[in-house]
Amino acid sequence: EAGVTQFPSHSVIEKGQTVTLRCDPISGHDNLYWYRRVMGKEIKFLLHFVKESKQDESGMPNNRFLAERTGGTYSTLKVQPAELEDSGVYFCASSRPTLAGGYNEQFFGPGTRLTVL
Amino acid sequence: RKEVEQDPGPFNVPEGATVAFNCTYSNSASQSFFWYRQDCRKEPKLLMSVYSSGNEDGRFTAQLNRASQYISLLIRDSKLSDSATYLCVVIPNSNYQLIWGAGTKLIIKP
Repeated sequence: EAGVTQFPSHSVIEKGQTVTLRCDPISGHDNLYWYRRVMGKEIKFLLHFVKESKQDESGMPNNRFLAERTGGTYSTLKVQPAELEDSGVYFCASSRPTLAGGYNEQFFGPGTRLTVL
Repeated sequence: RKEVEQDPGPFNVPEGATVAFNCTYSNSASQSFFWYRQDCRKEPKLLMSVYSSGNEDGRFTAQLNRASQYISLLIRDSKLSDSATYLCVVIPNSNYQLIWGAGTKLIIKP
């Protein structure tokens, strides 16, 4: 079974530019999550999709961040315009459909390392 | 106060020794608890879930203390390959949002 994949693995952009990160979850995983780790800090939740719907976007830092999951398969996370503080590693994770009251393990992709200069 | 707190370390431990980490969480209503392992520049991977009754998986033992709001991880007979950052993770409610500690770095020395 292929794991979660993310593209690109690294991105270096200048402040003010736009970057789009992509995540392909494990096939059949309805749940897709985005997380971010800023250097020296803990990993922070950004948002959660169930299929194509945003279940929880409480962690999105501001309106410069836009996540989509059209068709309920892969997801993109766009940062526009990028700021210096957006630098960090962006992780995507996916998990199987969740039964009421249950929890399914989230499997993580390798992350995209974003550097904003 | 952070929602999940860990000693960042590093813990420098000789091979074969036993090492233990603690992690405290602030939300007393938290429902699920996990230890993840993250190797340098890699993604985090689930090491083990932490159950109320405690659980063991080979050389690894996890314990939960709800009264004091902490979880622990014990590694026995440590191996060089155990060197990594160990992340404490809590799910505070039913929305499956993972709340992460900053991690404890473990270095096993030959």
